[in-house]
Amino acid sequence: SAVISQKPSRDICQRGTSLTIQCQVDSQVTMMFWYRQQPGQSLTLIATANQGSEATYESGFVIDKFPISRPNLTFSTLTVSNMSPEDSSIYLCSVGTDEKLFFGSGTQLSVL
Amino acid sequence: KQEVTQIPAALSVPEGENLVLNCSFTDSAIYNLQWFRQDPGKGLTSLLLIQSSQREQTSGRLNASLDKSSGRSTLYIAASQPGDSATYLCAVRTVIAGGTSYGKLTFGQGTILTVHP
Repeated sequence: SAVISQKPSRDICQRGTSLTIQCQVDSQVTMMFWYRQQPGQSLTLIATANQGSEATYESGFVIDKFPISRPNLTFSTLTVSNMSPEDSSIYLCSVGTDEKLFFGSGTQLSVL
Repeated sequence: KQEVTQIPAALSVPEGENLVLNCSFTDSAIYNLQWFRQDPGKGLTSLLLIQSSQREQTSGRLNASLDKSSGRSTLYIAASQPGDSATYLCAVRTVIAGGTSYGKLTFGQGTILTVHP
């Protein structure tokens, strides 16, 4: 298993600003995943982050809006840029293989 | 495109009752299926993982079944307790590239379970 620490746990932000979410894992992992869970909705994969290469974004998500860093095998950040109220969601970091996924506790983001 | 549906959206039961949560998926070419639990303000906890070749998995009071041909899975919770109150999510990983690789997870919208004393 993996222990994932995600910060901040929640934040309230103003429209037009940016927020960077941090994800720290207690072991080295090849791939890290970032998910979004909008209110009342299911989880949607934003991107897959591999160390040493650019993140792979899913349809509907772009790097300018959600830049991701992956400086080493235990850490990643997701930035939500130029926020609008539609970005209010829970953002979750995840690691794992085809066998199981492990999730951080999530970041509850509210944009006013 | 894989679509995952969970029924019911919400369920409220008295403590001690046995219950079943349902998950259906549109593409039967799956690699595996996973059930998660999500508590308010927290991340997801993996409960059970069923490989495509398996019919069921059990962990304590939880039993998950898989019928790949009909595109269905159920999560059975025996003797429910107030501590079981949470959102339960089903997630399906599809097979791609002729069955030699797997795609991303597709999540259902979840079932909100409330077990009252």
